[in-house]
Amino acid sequence: LAKTTQPISMDSYEGQEVNITCSHNNIATNDYITWYQQFPSQGPRFIIQGYKTKVTNEVASLFIPADRKSSTLSLPRVSLSDTAVYYCLVGEGTGRRALTFGSGTRLQVQP
Amino acid sequence: EAGVAQSPRYKIIEKRQSVAFWCNPISGHATLYWYQQILGQGPKLLIQFQNNGVVDDSQLPKDRFSAERLKGVDSTLKIQPAKLEDSAVYLCASSLSISTDTQYFGPGTRLTVL
Repeated sequence: LAKTTQPISMDSYEGQEVNITCSHNNIATNDYITWYQQFPSQGPRFIIQGYKTKVTNEVASLFIPADRKSSTLSLPRVSLSDTAVYYCLVGEGTGRRALTFGSGTRLQVQP
Repeated sequence: EAGVAQSPRYKIIEKRQSVAFWCNPISGHATLYWYQQILGQGPKLLIQFQNNGVVDDSQLPKDRFSAERLKGVDSTLKIQPAKLEDSAVYLCASSLSISTDTQYFGPGTRLTVL
């Protein structure tokens, strides 16, 4: 399974754009990149998934360079409610193996 | 749409006792997962079911943990006997089909072993 590396923590202020980068040097050809968000005392929640280039939804954008060895989750104009732990996962595309969670990035948004 | 349901939400037991957790996935979801999340760490997959068959249980401590998904719907996870290091939140998740589909998580059961 591809191992992921992401910063342990990040700080930001309300209204700023936050970019969290994840390294996955051993990503395989049929692996997808998925990001989850987890608030205290809750289960993780899906944010976004991509394979290459750029994916955007109503919550975030995901940038994946051509070599796919890293990815960047971009959260536009964060608010206090975006304070959470963000997990980057790399999963095998056939779905035979479940995604593996790392330790995640703890994002703290200040007023 | 109803989400993933888990019960109980909290459980306190003494070491060497037994405990069971229950999970009801989202209707129609074929894949069900049980995760263990120790404080400060990411969720660790314990077992993955596809319908009522086990896909991956490589990280399940089979000497004390067991899980079943009879009829391919509800699932139970059991620990017998519990150890202090089993104190964690046990999360259940389900997805429509394969594991790259979005996983929907339940609220979890917080287990404290004294």
